[in-house]
Amino acid sequence: GAVVSQHPSRVICKSGTSVKIECRSLDFQATTMFWYRQFPKQSLMLMATSNEGSKATYEQGVEKDKFLINHASLTLSTLTVTSAHPEDSSFYICSAINRQGVYGYTFGSGTRLTVV
Amino acid sequence: AQSVTQLDSQVPVFEEAPVELRCNYSSSVSVYLFWYVQYPNQGLQLLLKYLSGSTLVKGINGFEAEFNKSQTSFHLRKPSVHISDTAEYFCAVTIVLTGGGNKLTFGTGTQLKVEL
Repeated sequence: GAVVSQHPSRVICKSGTSVKIECRSLDFQATTMFWYRQFPKQSLMLMATSNEGSKATYEQGVEKDKFLINHASLTLSTLTVTSAHPEDSSFYICSAINRQGVYGYTFGSGTRLTVV
Repeated sequence: AQSVTQLDSQVPVFEEAPVELRCNYSSSVSVYLFWYVQYPNQGLQLLLKYLSGSTLVKGINGFEAEFNKSQTSFHLRKPSVHISDTAEYFCAVTIVLTGGGNKLTFGTGTQLKVEL
């Protein structure tokens, strides 16, 4: 079945530094990828939608200059948290879909970001 | 815009008892519906989905859900739960679009706690 690999699973960084999170579709071409943020004991909040080869579409209230998304190929999307601060600490999850075959969303295993 | 309501934030249940997790949605157009399970510090795993056809959908781990268009509901059921079913469950909806690729909207989640 469809598999999405997300790395790293956990990262701790210092305030002011940048962190890159990768999301890869291992056995299918991901025409669209989604990035979510999840606070403790809360639901998933969509941050942005990215289509291969085009600029990401950000949800209202999400700073595009802070959360840089690149979807350079059909199997890779990256989220870079720039100049991270403690309030950016959260659980980030990516999801990918493939228009071919069965319509469905596959999620990565998530990245726990802690900014100290 | 579509929305999802999960009225129960927590559902305690004894092992081997049946359980129902409620989900209601709102949309002015046709929808696809999903149930996902999330274990601590992990991504989301698809339990089942309704795209079209039979309104009773069977998923993994013995779960099933019934799509009820008149009541705009998609409740999740399991006839006999196990300790390992303890997790967070999310209902999600997306509108039907030609070619797919639309974002998922999630409910706030239901914490299922199975007790001995």
